[in-house]
Amino acid sequence: QVQLVQSGSELKKPGASVKVSCKASGYTFISYGMNWVRQAPGQGLEWMGWINTNTGNPTYAQGFTGRFVFSLDTSVSTAYLQISSLKAEDTAVYYCARDRGATAEEVHFDLWGRGTLVTVSS
Amino acid sequence: QSVLTQPPSVSGAPGQRVTISCTGSSSNIGAGYDVHWYQQLPGTAPKLLIYANSNRPSGVPDRFSGSKSGTSASLAITGLQAEDEADYYCQSYDSSLSAFYVFGTGTKVTVL
Repeated sequence: QVQLVQSGSELKKPGASVKVSCKASGYTFISYGMNWVRQAPGQGLEWMGWINTNTGNPTYAQGFTGRFVFSLDTSVSTAYLQISSLKAEDTAVYYCARDRGATAEEVHFDLWGRGTLVTVSS
Repeated sequence: QSVLTQPPSVSGAPGQRVTISCTGSSSNIGAGYDVHWYQQLPGTAPKLLIYANSNRPSGVPDRFSGSKSGTSASLAITGLQAEDEADYYCQSYDSSLSAFYVFGTGTKVTVL
């Protein structure tokens, strides 16, 4: 069926790196953009950016430049989020979400992964 | 840092109607961009509830409806049910430089 399957929870020390995966199935991976959304504990949703699955070109929201990297492996229909130099404030659930919309201004997120909890603690 | 403002909580008895507002500005909702709504049940991922202001994806009950006017949008839930207890978020495009897509602050719906 159509789904996004994310990798499991991670516990990391400050300064380490983490790579979260998001494997798509049931649809043509390169036909839809992939977005990343962060949800800190007890907080709301925050759009981190997206990656064009056709070209591999990433776009990062303000606040998610430098330590955050979006990448793809289209051969296995998988998107990745890598976070380096982890800080305690990076502790959150990270969701991948497929986008729909004829234009950028119409984009909404119609398919979500179940989320990956990344905990940063010494 | 959300630029779309929602009430923190709303509540209602089973069967009642509740509405959730989502207030934006001239760089998002007021510019005419679509508003979308998501439901997040406890401990789960968000789920698309309404897209393009008032459209329901397949499988979403018609108890959920959306509207937009000016710089605001609203989500209405009629015939409130226990399983509607969740967090609800609006989302829109924003033409400012910080982010293309912005979410609302979120509203917790409690069924009394």
